Amino acid sequence: QLQLQESGPGLVKPPETLSLTCSVSGGSISSSDYYWGWIRQPPGKGLEWIATVWPSGSAYFNPSLKSRITTSVDTSKSQFSLRLDSVTAADTAIYYCARHPHGTLRYFDLWGRGTLVTVSS
Amino acid sequence: YELTQPPSVSVSPGQTARISCSGDALAKQHAFWYQQKPGQAPVLIMYKDSARLSGVPERFSGSSSGTTVTLTISGVQAEDEADYYCQSTDASGTYVVFGGGSKLTVL
Repeated sequence: QLQLQESGPGLVKPPETLSLTCSVSGGSISSSDYYWGWIRQPPGKGLEWIATVWPSGSAYFNPSLKSRITTSVDTSKSQFSLRLDSVTAADTAIYYCARHPHGTLRYFDLWGRGTLVTVSS
Repeated sequence: YELTQPPSVSVSPGQTARISCSGDALAKQHAFWYQQKPGQAPVLIMYKDSARLSGVPERFSGSSSGTTVTLTISGVQAEDEADYYCQSTDASGTYVVFGGGSKLTVL
């Protein structure tokens, strides 16, 4: 059964870069059946989509975050990653990675447990 | 682009809870519903407006009319207490958008 696990530093200082990795186990990240995504949730607040990436490395981003986002995929390690530049306290959130079924519909059918990232000096 | 949900819905056990989600693009794009219990990741429960995921109790149903989609929980149980999020895309079908979430309280 496929599982996703987020990893990265729990504390980032402003205005540094937040870097997270999602490790995929129990299945192939390079499968043509799926894309992969990042979603975040500030403490006590709602969900915000960040990015969706293809196994090829192509991606599309939330327009409000696009200028600060970089994503990558390492199929040899079965991992995909997120970098968010110039963070502020507003970027404090639980960050989730998730699986996105291939096709024209945009949704996430399997999520990691999430990792809390706090931005503070 | 936004999806609008009521912040909270309260019902007694056994009653019917209806959670709405409104947005212009819903006239063209499908909606999806997630359930999130405290301290847990969201779980997809409804697909393409009204298709229930495997393992989701039959008391959960979805419907769509114009620019509004509705998640209905018939015969609410205490275990249904959670936050519910609708999700869709902008009119182009490219960018993912979540509603603000609705907290279902079982009285």
